[in-house]
Amino acid sequence: ELVMTQSPATLSVSPGERVTLSCRASRSITSNLAWYQQKPGQAPRLLISGASTRATGVPARFSGGGSGTEFTLTISSLQSEDSALYYCQQYNDWPPLFTFGPGTKVDIK
Amino acid sequence: QLQLQESGPGLVQPSETLSLNCTVSGGSISSSSYYWGWIRQPPGKGLEWIGTIYETGSTYYNPSLQSRVTISVDTSKNQFSLKLSSVTAADTAIYYCARHGRKQLVRGWFDPWGQGTLVTVSS
Repeated sequence: ELVMTQSPATLSVSPGERVTLSCRASRSITSNLAWYQQKPGQAPRLLISGASTRATGVPARFSGGGSGTEFTLTISSLQSEDSALYYCQQYNDWPPLFTFGPGTKVDIK
Repeated sequence: QLQLQESGPGLVQPSETLSLNCTVSGGSISSSSYYWGWIRQPPGKGLEWIGTIYETGSTYYNPSLQSRVTISVDTSKNQFSLKLSSVTAADTAIYYCARHGRKQLVRGWFDPWGQGTLVTVSS
């Protein structure tokens, strides 16, 4: 079974700082990875697909990278509105079995 | 702008069947060439994919839930539906419907999502 892990579980960052979140797959998923942002009481919002393609309307401060088993989501200059949970999701498996990572919580100092 | 809205009972008795609908507006399920999915999130926990359907009725389910899940589509109502049988407290969750991200491809991301609906399993 393909397992997704994320690190760290939580982090507290000051506004304006650069933030890098990690997502790891237990085996290669090439670039079949998406990132989502979820704020309290809201549905997840797609940020990144294909490991590095920003979704429509997503600010340029969000960028995704990586391939194979190691992926990153970088926020170049953290804004207060970026306080949220961030999830990665793989869509590599066939037959389809879409799995999400456990999430990283980003707090604003 | 495509919008999805979940609807259904917020409280289900243990051992009963959970039934939810997802109504799509701002676009048509039929001839859309997209797949449509259900994802759930227990309170305070992570996301779990439940299953997916195509406009033709072709389905894919999470193996961990497959024996209890049925997803169907009603193109005349522009809706797709979820039934989960023999529910327990472990099925208490926010249930989201969402569209898959790429035409004619089931392997992909989910975008957009409905706002979600909380279903509690309790007597």
